[in-house]
Amino acid sequence: GNSVTQMEGPVTLSEEAFLTINCTYTATGYPSLFWYVQYPGEGLQLLLKATKADDKGSNKGFEATYRKETTSFHLEKGSVQVSDSAVYFCALSGRNNAGNMLTFGGGTRLMVKP
Amino acid sequence: EAQVTQNPRYLITVTGKKLTVTCSQNMNHEYMSWYRQDPGLGLRQIYYSMNVEVTDKGDVPEGYKVSRKEKRNFPLILESPSPNQTSLYFCASSIQGSSYNSPLHFGNGTRLTVT
Repeated sequence: GNSVTQMEGPVTLSEEAFLTINCTYTATGYPSLFWYVQYPGEGLQLLLKATKADDKGSNKGFEATYRKETTSFHLEKGSVQVSDSAVYFCALSGRNNAGNMLTFGGGTRLMVKP
Repeated sequence: EAQVTQNPRYLITVTGKKLTVTCSQNMNHEYMSWYRQDPGLGLRQIYYSMNVEVTDKGDVPEGYKVSRKEKRNFPLILESPSPNQTSLYFCASSIQGSSYNSPLHFGNGTRLTVT
C-alpha cells in the first residue's frame, strides 16, 4: 500500500535560516504529491503540490520537487520567518477505488526563533 | 466565505455515551471525508463520501458511523465512544472525489476526550 515517511521533528531554526524537511514515499502507479501546513489551532491548508515527475510545486517561498527516481518530495525554503512556525505534512494521492484518498506522513513541527 | 465548519471544537465525554460531531461545507463539494490526527501517526482517514448517499470506509473505520443525506453535511457518529477514540478530528471536502488532484479543504478540528 501507499505510505509517506517524514523526518521527525521538531525542527528548530533561527529566522532567515535555510529549511529542508525530508519526505519520501512508497506508492504504486503515479501519485500526486502534496505539502499541507497546519498553523496552531487550525485545520490543514494546502501549501503546494506536484502532479508528475520532475514537477516543482512552489508557494509562499516554499518549494518541493517531485523526484521519482528517489521517491522523494523534500520541502525547502531559503529564508524562514517566525510566521512559518507550524506543522508540515507531506501527503500523496493515488487514484484508486477510494477516489481522492490522501495518505499523510506523520507531520514535522517547525519552530522558528527570532 | 468558503469554509468547512465543524462543531464542537472541544468535547469531553464518558465511555459509552453516544455523540455526534457535525461537519458542514458551503462550497458545493461532492467529496467529504473524516480524519483523525494522533501524535506521530499523521492523519488517518476514517470514512469518506464521494457524493450524497455514498459513503465508504477509510483506514480506521471501527467504532465510527457516518451519513450523507445532504451534500453539505457529513456528521461523524460515535455510538459508544471509548478512550482510544480520544483524538483530534478533522472534516475535509473537495470538489470531486474522482479527481485525485483536487485539494482538500479542512475544518478547524474537534478535540475529543473520552474518559
